[in-house]
Amino acid sequence: DQQVKQNSPSLSVQEGRISILNCDYTNSMFDYFLWYKKYPAEGPTFLISISSIKDKNEDGRFTVFLNKSAKHLSLHIVPSQPGDSAVYFCAATTSGTYKYIFGTGTRLKVLA
Amino acid sequence: GAGVSQSPSNKVTEKGKDVELRCDPISGHTALYWYRQSLGQGLEFLIYFQGNSAPDKSGLPSDRFSAERTGGSVSTLTIQRTQQEDSAVYLCASSLKPPLEQYFGPGTRLTVT
Repeated sequence: DQQVKQNSPSLSVQEGRISILNCDYTNSMFDYFLWYKKYPAEGPTFLISISSIKDKNEDGRFTVFLNKSAKHLSLHIVPSQPGDSAVYFCAATTSGTYKYIFGTGTRLKVLA
Repeated sequence: GAGVSQSPSNKVTEKGKDVELRCDPISGHTALYWYRQSLGQGLEFLIYFQGNSAPDKSGLPSDRFSAERTGGSVSTLTIQRTQQEDSAVYLCASSLKPPLEQYFGPGTRLTVT
């Protein structure tokens, strides 16, 4: 039973264009969501997060959108750069708990 | 400041042997997690330590897996009688009180032959 799903295993985007990575969840108790980026042979690094009281959070080129009614979140990267090529994981948790549920990741390739 | 460190970075072992994986979390982080990432899979939760509380071991896949955290700092994940399906990257992460973001170590790639 996968509570957090990233249905696109891979995505290719031209440099300078927008990258949109999607994540769906099933557990309505989740109220905090995070995106991590992972390069080969390294651990994931935190990118951006969003609380369920918001529907958008922006940090530089990265914006996360949350649609609670659809149980869907997305990460937008604008403009995409070759250095953004990595695997992106979304994660979800419920405040007051400590268990994070991760998706299976989407491999983003930004083409120069 | 130092991040989360893990050792060894790579471990090749024969089926049936025991292995120990080590994690040094960021100083002051009270929460420590172990995850496993098998090929093509997401991060699978294994165990969670928070301060002096009893750990949440609900993610450990079998009784061959155990972990401890000494002095609220360093943690060791032990896998006894390793099997080929244990081959994976084992990731450790630490954080301040959840639900703040976790800081991950580089992982230990375990290969069981």
